Amino acid sequence: LAKTTQPISMDSYEGQEVNITCSHNNIATNDYITWYQQFPSQGPRFIIQGYKTKVTNEVASLFIPADRKSSTLSLPRVSLSDTAVYYCLVSPRDYGGSQGNLIFGKGTKLSVKP
Amino acid sequence: SQTIHQWPATLVQPVGSPLSLECTVEGTSNPNLYWYRQAAGRGLQLLFYSVGIGQISSEVPQNLSASRPQDRQFILSSKKLLLSDSGFYLCAGDRDGAEAFFGQGTRLTVV
Repeated sequence: LAKTTQPISMDSYEGQEVNITCSHNNIATNDYITWYQQFPSQGPRFIIQGYKTKVTNEVASLFIPADRKSSTLSLPRVSLSDTAVYYCLVSPRDYGGSQGNLIFGKGTKLSVKP
Repeated sequence: SQTIHQWPATLVQPVGSPLSLECTVEGTSNPNLYWYRQAAGRGLQLLFYSVGIGQISSEVPQNLSASRPQDRQFILSSKKLLLSDSGFYLCAGDRDGAEAFFGQGTRLTVV
């Protein structure tokens, strides 16, 4: 399994764009990169998933360089309600005989201030 | 869409008592299923995962066990709880690496 490294914490202010970078130097060819958001006392919630280049949905963008050894989650114009822990995961997709590769690292605690 | 039902939401149990937490899955078949524990302010620690009925892999040695008697049912058990078993327990599922879906969690306090 590819190990991931993220900053432990980040601070931001309302209305700013926040970029959280995750390093995954040992990513495999069939690995996808997935980001989750977790609020206290709740289960993580899927944000976005990508394989390469750029993926955008209604809540975030995911930037993946050509070597795929890192990825950046971009949250546009954050609000107080975006204060949460963000996890980056690397795991294979369409893996026949899947081995349950859903290993979470420590995540990044984002604090958004007024 | 896939949904995980996990209960109870909170549980207070005395040391030495047994434990049984159950989660059930709706909206998909043959999912991978996972049990996590999260201590206050910490990350998610993977306890067990299952890729099919009766197939359980343990990630952390402890006094907990897991079982998967049916495709969409995953059970976490203990014969005798320890104080250190307190925490937030989450059941999760996925299929072939697509987005994972989580239950709402169980806050277990062992007293």
